[in-house]
Amino acid sequence: KAGVTQTPRYLIKTRGQQVTLSCSPISGHRSVSWYQQTPGQGLQFLFEYFSETQRNKGNFPGRFSGRQFSNSRSEMNVSTLELGDSALYLCASSPDTDYEQYFGPGTRLTVT
Amino acid sequence: AQSVTQPDIHITVSEGASLELRCNYSYGATPYLFWYVQSPGQGLQLLLKYFSGDTLVQGIKGFEAEFKRSQSSFNLRKPSVHWSDAAEYFCAVGALGADKLIFGTGTRLQVFP
Repeated sequence: KAGVTQTPRYLIKTRGQQVTLSCSPISGHRSVSWYQQTPGQGLQFLFEYFSETQRNKGNFPGRFSGRQFSNSRSEMNVSTLELGDSALYLCASSPDTDYEQYFGPGTRLTVT
Repeated sequence: AQSVTQPDIHITVSEGASLELRCNYSYGATPYLFWYVQSPGQGLQLLLKYFSGDTLVQGIKGFEAEFKRSQSSFNLRKPSVHWSDAAEYFCAVGALGADKLIFGTGTRLQVFP
């Protein structure tokens, strides 16, 4: 079974721009979660989607948003990029609640 | 509030030596606990998990962890470390089930030949 895939792997954007990151979960997994990883703040939960509905949300500003499609693929969007948004964005999938999460390789976003 | 503490930022061991990475959590209910490993530039790989039952859990790559409720700990152990184990290790607790993970700050493991 293929693992979690994330595209693109690397991205360079300019302050003020917006960006969309994509995540394809493991086949059959319905839950997709997003995390931000930075050297200063570590790994922080962004949000989680299940069956196209956002179920949980972390403490991030409204510039961070996401969605999930009927095939469980998910996208996250960051608008009006700031330098501090530079990070590794990780996506994780699981079959349902109460199951372990499997992580993708991440998208490395650099904001200049 | 839920939290995870990994007291050791950096640990260095010799190849073949035993290893124990510490993890303490704060969580009101019965926690879901996880250990993940991350190699440079990579995502997170699940080593093992504890949901309930036997408090000593076995994972991949020869790792094990023991859940101790009285100490709020979930320490990771390996009897003999290999050079390929050099990586960063993260302990996590699942809040609201396992849908939302709260991670510790990680422990970077360096292995000397």
